[in-house]
Amino acid sequence: GAGVSQSPRYKVTKRGQDVALRCDPISGHVSLYWYRQALGQGPEFLTYFNYEAQQDKSGLPNDRFSAERPEGSISTLTIQRTEQRDSAMYRCASSAPYNEQFFGPGTRLTVL
Amino acid sequence: AQSVTQPDIHITVSEGASLELRCNYSYGATPYLFWYVQSPGQGLQLLLKYFSGDTLVQGIKGFEAEFKRSQSSFNLRKPSVHWSDAAEYFCAVVGSGGSNYKLTFGKGTLLTVNP
Repeated sequence: GAGVSQSPRYKVTKRGQDVALRCDPISGHVSLYWYRQALGQGPEFLTYFNYEAQQDKSGLPNDRFSAERPEGSISTLTIQRTEQRDSAMYRCASSAPYNEQFFGPGTRLTVL
Repeated sequence: AQSVTQPDIHITVSEGASLELRCNYSYGATPYLFWYVQSPGQGLQLLLKYFSGDTLVQGIKGFEAEFKRSQSSFNLRKPSVHWSDAAEYFCAVVGSGGSNYKLTFGKGTLLTVNP
């Protein structure tokens, strides 16, 4: 079946612009996660949804970052007023409850 | 808080040679442990996982890993490496208690395979 998909795959934006990154999880997966991966590092947790409820947003670095999953399926991670330090690979994952996480290909964000 | 250490940033092996990638974790209870592989332009793919039971776990692509509680280790092994195994490998542990969904990753080990 189809895996986790993310769009866009690459995003180049200018500092100060807002960006929206989309994640489409595996059908039937109730849990959805966002991670950020800087160059040379492992992914770091940002936020977690169970159905449409955002259960944990402790990893979001500041209030410019937000995420939603209004219908319990597709999720959007939004970064407002982007800064160069936001440049990274943003990864989405989904899972069945208490099961392994399946990752999408990621969105490479570059802020100029 | 849990943490994962992958001591080797970069490893080079010859095709056909054996491989061992090291992973040490810090965690207060029985961990859930994972190895993921990341190929260029691809997402993270799960190689294998340890939840409980047999400490030697088999994964895809001929990989295996052994959980050693006394050493806080979960090393990944393969008896004979193929050129297609060149990739970056990440060890990860799931958080504790109420946050048993939050994966904590190591910094990764980049594997180069020489012909």
